[in-house]
Amino acid sequence: DIQMTQSPSSLSASVGDRVTITCRASQDITKYLAWYQQKPGKIPTLLIYTTSTLQSGVPSRFSGSGSGTDFTLTISSLQPEDVATYYCQQYNSAPLTFGPGTKVDIK
Amino acid sequence: EVQLLESGGGLVQPGGSLRLSCEASGFTFTRNAMSWVRQAPGKGLEWVSGIMGSGDKTYYVYGNSVNGRFTISRDNSKNTVYMQMNSLRDEDTAVYYCVRHAAGFYYHFPMDVWGQGTTVTVSS
Repeated sequence: DIQMTQSPSSLSASVGDRVTITCRASQDITKYLAWYQQKPGKIPTLLIYTTSTLQSGVPSRFSGSGSGTDFTLTISSLQPEDVATYYCQQYNSAPLTFGPGTKVDIK
Repeated sequence: EVQLLESGGGLVQPGGSLRLSCEASGFTFTRNAMSWVRQAPGKGLEWVSGIMGSGDKTYYVYGNSVNGRFTISRDNSKNTVYMQMNSLRDEDTAVYYCVRHAAGFYYHFPMDVWGQGTTVTVSS
């Protein structure tokens, strides 16, 4: 199985800050990496897929990059509504696997 | 509007069984792979099982923690996917989400629609 790790596990930043979350796969997953956002008490929603493609309706301050085993999610200017836990997930091969999540809040 | 509506959760004793259902609407059900994802209280997301194809070309796969105990199936005439859960354990306690993949395969296509979830509690 492909193991997914994320860093940091949590972060606190100010409104307007640039935030970067890293995700690493235990083996090459090519481009098949998605990011999901789960706001407190809500269901997860798809944020980014195929490493860097924004899902419809997602603000342009979110971006993704990477390939192979190393990927990043960037929020260019953190907003209060971005408080959430962010999960990366590989869908290159089954069993599909998620990272442990990164909790983002406002300082 | 695309919707996934789960049902069937509840309280069950260790070793017991439950069947979850997920009724889909608002899209052509046969065109999409479906999966179940769970989230234990206060924990992260865990993919449980996925199903794709139809008829004699239906394919399914399971996560290691449920393989041999859970069975996924779908009834395309009812736009419904099921999860039969047997030999339930305390660690199966979670919210179970029904999710749609963006196209016909559970790999190479992300999960683009999530249901509201149904809660399964395994406890004596």
